[in-house]
Amino acid sequence: EADIYQTPRYLVIGTGKKITLECSQTMGHDKMYWYQQDPGMELHLIHYSYGVNSTEKGDLSSESTVSRIRTEHFPLTLESARPSHTSQYLCASSGSTGGLPQHFGDGTRLSIL
Amino acid sequence: SQQGEEDPQALSIQEGENATMNCSYKTSINNLQWYRQNSGRGLVHLILIRSNEREKHSGRLRVTLDTSKKSSSLLITASRAADTASYFCATDEVNTGFQKLVFGTGTRLLVSP
Repeated sequence: EADIYQTPRYLVIGTGKKITLECSQTMGHDKMYWYQQDPGMELHLIHYSYGVNSTEKGDLSSESTVSRIRTEHFPLTLESARPSHTSQYLCASSGSTGGLPQHFGDGTRLSIL
Repeated sequence: SQQGEEDPQALSIQEGENATMNCSYKTSINNLQWYRQNSGRGLVHLILIRSNEREKHSGRLRVTLDTSKKSSSLLITASRAADTASYFCATDEVNTGFQKLVFGTGTRLLVSP
């Protein structure tokens, strides 16, 4: 099993709250990713990072933001949560060499009331 | 941009039978990867096939790739109840400088005892 951890696993919270989803990996991977996945649907890339101090937006527009201050840590923040943000958020990482598999955490299932 | 389309969307078989899932994609790729996702969990990498390979085996898994038809198939032989999961193909596109995987829509496999 890959060593990538996401917390919390589940979060139910009210509209307007600020939320931070945590993602940490212990593999020393430079590349990290955030995906959004609705139940039973495909994954959509919302953010990625080449390494420390690098962040890029993915293919799916998202109101969330990310930071990469340390190699192992790639948190995702929603400044003001809305019901439309309800989804599962998956974090992944991979090594620097192109074409390598991605290792996924178990995700955070987020519900905004 | 949606790259992979998978069929069937859902597949129900008995233990011991073989399961075949297909993936079609649209652009040139460096490699194609297959992942499994158990309910409520993250994705687990199963197998990677490079664009210059035509077939690859790993245990009970057999993957084929036809770049002329832009399609791939995943065969699980002698299926078990534990194989029940969603299966996703993901393509590593040629023209991106960063390894951005584009995931298919997934096939939900149910293996009954």
